[in-house]
Amino acid sequence: DGGITQSPKYLFRKEGQNVTLSCEQNLNHDAMYWYRQDPGQGLRLIYYSQIVNDFQKGDIAEGYSVSREKKESFPLTVTSAQKNPTAFYLCASRAQGGYTFGSGTRLTVV
Amino acid sequence: EDQVTQSPEALRLQEGESSSLNCSYTVSGLRGLFWYRQDPGKGPEFLFTLYSAGEEKEKERLKATLTKKESFLHITAPKPEDSATYLCAVLGYTGSSNTGKLIFGQGTTLQVKP
Repeated sequence: DGGITQSPKYLFRKEGQNVTLSCEQNLNHDAMYWYRQDPGQGLRLIYYSQIVNDFQKGDIAEGYSVSREKKESFPLTVTSAQKNPTAFYLCASRAQGGYTFGSGTRLTVV
Repeated sequence: EDQVTQSPEALRLQEGESSSLNCSYTVSGLRGLFWYRQDPGKGPEFLFTLYSAGEEKEKERLKATLTKKESFLHITAPKPEDSATYLCAVLGYTGSSNTGKLIFGQGTTLQVKP
């Protein structure tokens, strides 16, 4: 079955540490997105990529970085510059008119 | 600026008690309004896309409707398994049209008690 796979499901980060969240899709979608979800708030866009080797900042890109070396993969790195990284992170991809989400990664700072 | 507001934030229903969730939006030209269901600790699951005022879509106990300013998600005779957070999002022509960026509301958390 086609879909989006996010890993790991749970991730713990120490202060000052960089961590990378994985997002892989086998839907052959060109566009991919990273959203952050906090309790009581709507999903907020971190980064997006509409084509391989190209990506753009979203609304809350500070402290995050991405790469898009392959169509299938869009990893997100949470750097030590992100002061409040504890959240639920969702990856999505888009085809004509439709968006598919992964199952999410919950990141906690310890 | 595109904006989406959902109400109520939380809703408790008895099994079989029908109700509606509201999604009010402000967007410079609507390309699509999306409804998703999200279970705790999981990613959003697609329910409906609506494109123009007057459009309606149904799926089991759910029915989504759209006007020029808001959308409703009607839940008829809900069951406990309908308990989840329901998210509304819009895609507009201005700004987000080339990015595919969805603007989300904060969601309505529905609890259906047996």
